[in-house]
Amino acid sequence: GDSVTQMEGPVTLSEEAFLTINCTYTATGYPSLFWYVQYPGEGLQLLLKATKADDKGSNKGFEATYRKETTSFHLEKGSVQVSDSAVYFCALSQATGGFKTIFGAGTRLFVKA
Amino acid sequence: DVKVTQSSRYLVKRTGEKVFLECVQDMDHENMFWYRQDPGLGLRLIYFSYDVKMKEKGDIPEGYSVSREKKERFSLILESASTNQTSMYLCASRWTDNQPQHFGDGTRLSIL
Repeated sequence: GDSVTQMEGPVTLSEEAFLTINCTYTATGYPSLFWYVQYPGEGLQLLLKATKADDKGSNKGFEATYRKETTSFHLEKGSVQVSDSAVYFCALSQATGGFKTIFGAGTRLFVKA
Repeated sequence: DVKVTQSSRYLVKRTGEKVFLECVQDMDHENMFWYRQDPGLGLRLIYFSYDVKMKEKGDIPEGYSVSREKKERFSLILESASTNQTSMYLCASRWTDNQPQHFGDGTRLSIL
């Protein structure tokens, strides 16, 4: 079945450092891919998405490119801020059937001032 | 803006009680979901509904049931609460299969 694997955390960075959180997936067909962010005490929010190969999703300085050849959707940000401290979830959803969204286990990010 | 509202942020109940968690969305979404989130286990799907009065079991439905009488409301029911159901519960909705989900803020449920 479909699955999502993301790097284990926690990831600890200093402010203004470069961020990469790796995400790889296994899926039949052509899924849509998502990154969600969860701030402390809140639900998940959509951060960005990509619906087909080579699409780049971007939002709030974060980017991720849908790479079908490597089945990856790595999250990057050039300069993190303390306010980016949160848990990040990679996810996929198929266009037809199944109804489910498959979530990765989440990666906790701490950014130090 | 999109809004998914869960009825309680924090809830404390006793073992054996019947517990209702309510979720309302204002976006006319077809699909609604209930998850529980536990440290080290990520999000686990309990039940989902793809239309009014339609429901499907997720990965961990035991001990839970759901009700969707109206499109905007999806209720999670703990038939007889047990301590192992202490968790964060998240409700979500979406328009259709490959669209993103929109989440509520969660209900932190403690069963004593």
